Formats: sequence, structure tokens, C-alpha cells
Amino acid sequence: KQEVTQIPAALSVPEGENLVLNCSFTDSAIYNLQWFRQDPGKGLTSLLLIQSSQREQTSGRLNASLDKSSGRSTLYIAASQPGDSATYLCAVRNSGNTPLVFGKGTRLSVIA
Amino acid sequence: GAVVSQHPSRVICKSGTSVKIECRSLDFQATTMFWYRQFPKKSLMLMATSNEGSKATYEQGVEKDKFLINHASLTLSTLTVTSAHPEDSSFYICSARVAGLQNNEQFFGPGTRLTVL
Repeated sequence: KQEVTQIPAALSVPEGENLVLNCSFTDSAIYNLQWFRQDPGKGLTSLLLIQSSQREQTSGRLNASLDKSSGRSTLYIAASQPGDSATYLCAVRNSGNTPLVFGKGTRLSVIA
Repeated sequence: GAVVSQHPSRVICKSGTSVKIECRSLDFQATTMFWYRQFPKKSLMLMATSNEGSKATYEQGVEKDKFLINHASLTLSTLTVTSAHPEDSSFYICSARVAGLQNNEQFFGPGTRLTVL
């Protein structure tokens, strides 16, 4: 059964810092991996989706990498801003027909 | 991107009552919808997978008689929490998968906060 782990559980950084969030999964035979953002009491906002054949995806200040063989993904946030404060969730799908399996998330606080 | 809506966004009810949550795909047809629940500061746990026109598939430990799921059309799925109790208080999020899209991407609704008194 696929299990997704995110480290650290919480992170606090000063504004302007670059930071990396980590995600690992136990079954490396994934279909794709997705990073989401969740604000308190709100739903999910999709940030980046990486197909199993891809190594990375970029959107603005965000860059997500995927090393499928080692079961790892990282989300890199450049020049962090207070507005980036949220919980970041990593999720993987084992096949095109199976649902996403989520990690517990990393709660990020960017201090002005 | 594809839009998924949920209604209501927030509901407070008395113990023993039933609550229905609607999930709609607004601009696409969703052959498959998923229901997740999220406890405070915890991750999303899949409850069930719902395919249009057929019975939902429930995850282990989820009571199908307590959490009734109906997926009667390609744009609507409902989750009914029957005889709700305080331990059912949670954040419920639905997700819809777009039929035929290459990535089989899941799109998520904004969630429904259920509080059972």
C-alpha cells in the first residue's frame, strides 16, 4: 500500500529565504505526483503536477522535482513571501485509475 | 482549469440528524468522483470512490451505511452522513476526475466543514 511522508511537518522561515519541502513515497511505481497548497479551513489548490516520465516542473517561484527510483520529490520555493504561508501537501497516484494518496503536509510560516 | 463546487460550505447539526453534501463538476463531466475527509491538522483520507451510475467503492474502515454516496449523473455526487455524531465532525472534500484527460488529473472542491453538536 502506497504511503506518502512529508518532512518537515512544520517550517518557519524569514521572508526572502529559499526553502525546500520534502516528500517521499514507498512505492516508486507511480503514475504521477502532485503538490497542493491548502490555506486554513480551505480546499486544495493544485500547484504542480509531475508525470512519472518527467524530472521536474516549474511555475513561477515554485519548482518541483521528481526522483521516481528513489521515491522522492522536493518542492523548492524561491524568495519566500508571507503570502506563501500555508500547508503544502504532496500526493501520488499509482495508476491512471487510482485516487491520489496524500502525505500529512508541511505547515509553512513565512515571517515578515 | 476545471471547477468543482461543494454545497454547503459549512453545516452545523444536532447529533442524530442526517446531512447531505453535494459535489458538482461545473464545466466538465466527471466519470469518477472521490470523497475525502480531513481531521484538524491531518492529511486527507480517502473515504470512497464513486463512479457514475454504479455503487461507490469504500475504503477499509469506512461504514457504507453511515456515509451514503450517490453519483447519479456525470456532474453530481452526494455524500449523506446518516445519524451524525460528534465524531463525524470533520472537513469533507470531494474531488472529480476529468474523463479522457491525458493526466487523469483530479480537481478538488472547496470542502465542507461539518460540525455535529
